[in-house]
Amino acid sequence: NAGVMQNPRHLVRRRGQEARLRCSPMKGHSHVYWYRQLPEEGLKFMVYLQKENIIDESGMPKERFSAEFPKEGPSILRIQQVVRGDSAAYFCASSPIQGQRLYNEQFFGPGTRLTVL
Amino acid sequence: AQSVTQLDSHVSVSEGTPVLLRCNYSSSYSPSLFWYVQHPNKGLQLLLKYTSAATLVKGINGFEAEFKKSETSFHLTKPSAHMSDAAEYFCVVSDRDSSYKLIFGSGTRLLVRP
Repeated sequence: NAGVMQNPRHLVRRRGQEARLRCSPMKGHSHVYWYRQLPEEGLKFMVYLQKENIIDESGMPKERFSAEFPKEGPSILRIQQVVRGDSAAYFCASSPIQGQRLYNEQFFGPGTRLTVL
Repeated sequence: AQSVTQLDSHVSVSEGTPVLLRCNYSSSYSPSLFWYVQHPNKGLQLLLKYTSAATLVKGINGFEAEFKKSETSFHLTKPSAHMSDAAEYFCVVSDRDSSYKLIFGSGTRLLVRP
């Protein structure tokens, strides 16, 4: 069973360009979470999605950032008009449905390292 | 609000000696606590978790952690370090109102000397 997959692993963008980060959850997982890790810091929650639904985006910057998890295909984290401060590692995690439990163990991908020049 | 503080940004031990990675949490309720490990260029892996059952939690690869409410601590230990333990370790608490939201400490980098 393949783990959580993220691509690209490294992404370089110039200021003003768009960055699209993709995440394929583990097979059978329908919950996806995105986290951002700034240099020398821990991960910070950004958004929680289920198929075709954004459940909690309280950690997302209000502008330029958006996320989706379509019925088919990977989850996408999109950053428009990137700035130097967006340089970070972006991690995706997924978890399965287990009855009515709200929390399940989150399985993390290897991350995408975004560098904005 | 919940938070975790990892007291050491770097810890260096010799192979075969004990490991202690310190973590203190701040929470107004009985929290769920976790330790994750991150190897270079890899995703994070769950080492162990505390969810209000036994206060001494055993995890993978010989690691364990003890929940001490009186000290608000959840330190990670291992009796004997192995070279493969060299990695970044994160202490994590789940948000009280949204338990899927994990709150990470700043991490401790463990170096293991031959």
